[in-house]
Amino acid sequence: GAGVSQSPSNKVTEKGKDVELRCDPISGHTALYWYRQSLGQGLEFLIYFQGNSAPDKSGLPSDRFSAERTGGSVSTLTIQRTQQEDSAVYLCASTAGGDPYEQYFGPGTRLTVT
Amino acid sequence: AQSVTQLGSHVSVSEGALVLLRCNYSSSVPPYLFWYVQYPNQGLQLLLKYTSAATLVKGINGFEAEFKKSETSFHLTKPSAHMSDAAEYFCAVSSGSARQLTFGSGTQLTVLP
Repeated sequence: GAGVSQSPSNKVTEKGKDVELRCDPISGHTALYWYRQSLGQGLEFLIYFQGNSAPDKSGLPSDRFSAERTGGSVSTLTIQRTQQEDSAVYLCASTAGGDPYEQYFGPGTRLTVT
Repeated sequence: AQSVTQLGSHVSVSEGALVLLRCNYSSSVPPYLFWYVQYPNQGLQLLLKYTSAATLVKGINGFEAEFKKSETSFHLTKPSAHMSDAAEYFCAVSSGSARQLTFGSGTQLTVLP
């Protein structure tokens, strides 16, 4: 079956611009996570959705970062006024309700801020 | 708060040799532990997981890991390395109601012919 998909696969943007990253989880998966993978910081948790609600936003690095999820499915991570330190691979993962700890990851979006 | 330490950012083994990747965790509650593999320019693929059942866990591609509570370890092993095992490996912990994964810094495995 289809796995987690993310778009775009690569995004190059100029410093100060806004970007939107999209995640399509596995159909029927109720929980969705965003992580960031960068050279200096490794893999970091950003935000978690259960359905359309985000009970844990503790990993968002600044108020320039926001995310939403609609229809219990697609999620969008938005970064406003991008900075060079935002350059990273942004990974999305989803889990089924019966096994909340086994996360299935998408291929990621590589963001480069110039 | 939970944390994960992976000893050795780079490990090299010869093809056919034993693979041993080390992971130690810190968690205030019984943990769920995972090993993920990442091939170049790809996402993370689950190798295996420990969720308080058997302490010796078998995963895909011939990998296994043993949960040792007394040593707070969850080392990953494979009896015989294959060239296709070359990748980056991440140990992760998820405990309590936190749900999110806390990852180690990763170990890059190189398999030499």
